[in-house]
Amino acid sequence: AQKVTQAQTEISVVEKEDVTLDCVYETRDTTYYLFWYKQPPSGELVFLIRRNSFDEQNEISGRYSWNFQKSTSSFNFTITASQVVDSAVYFCALSEFGNEKLTFGTGTRLTIIP
Amino acid sequence: DAGVIQSPRHEVTEMGQEVTLRCKPISGHNSLFWYRQTMMRGLELLIYFNNNVPIDDSGMPEDRFSAKMPNASFSTLKIQPSEPRDSAVYFCASSPGTGSYEQYFGPGTRLTVT
Repeated sequence: AQKVTQAQTEISVVEKEDVTLDCVYETRDTTYYLFWYKQPPSGELVFLIRRNSFDEQNEISGRYSWNFQKSTSSFNFTITASQVVDSAVYFCALSEFGNEKLTFGTGTRLTIIP
Repeated sequence: DAGVIQSPRHEVTEMGQEVTLRCKPISGHNSLFWYRQTMMRGLELLIYFNNNVPIDDSGMPEDRFSAKMPNASFSTLKIQPSEPRDSAVYFCASSPGTGSYEQYFGPGTRLTVT
């Protein structure tokens, strides 16, 4: 069975600090996909990134970066120079090859303090 | 392009009443998903369709819940009769096709059953 663990329930940092959100996953499949979603206070879920298990290259998009390490089954998300608009709940998710079902972690509530 | 559209955005109803939630997926997307989000249980997949056919309804809580997708541009989730424990935010999401594509979420319907 697949499982996603986000051990950090809540994080607060001061604006402009860097912050890393942790995600650890479990799966028996060798082919799988990992995702991050953002849920701002307005409530909608916003897709941020999808990564497949064969691509361990780190991804950078502006102030966002993702570190995928199969050896530790982790897919961590770093926000550099955080801003108040980054305040949200962030979800990590996993799906296995051939299965469209997403298994979500419990989310990390990130608060950026101005 | 329009994203996933859900209606109503908010619904307040009394216990025992029938509730119907509606979703219009992104045009051209082949898969549609219904999720429920609560504080206690997080994000749960209720059911998903591919090419209008239900693929996995194992997350549907009980017979009071039913979902249909009569065509590629419309789906409903019905609860009959509703109970207070059904109070939650219900999200609809769509994705481009089979396989583990990213899912795009609608704004959600906040359901309150009194």
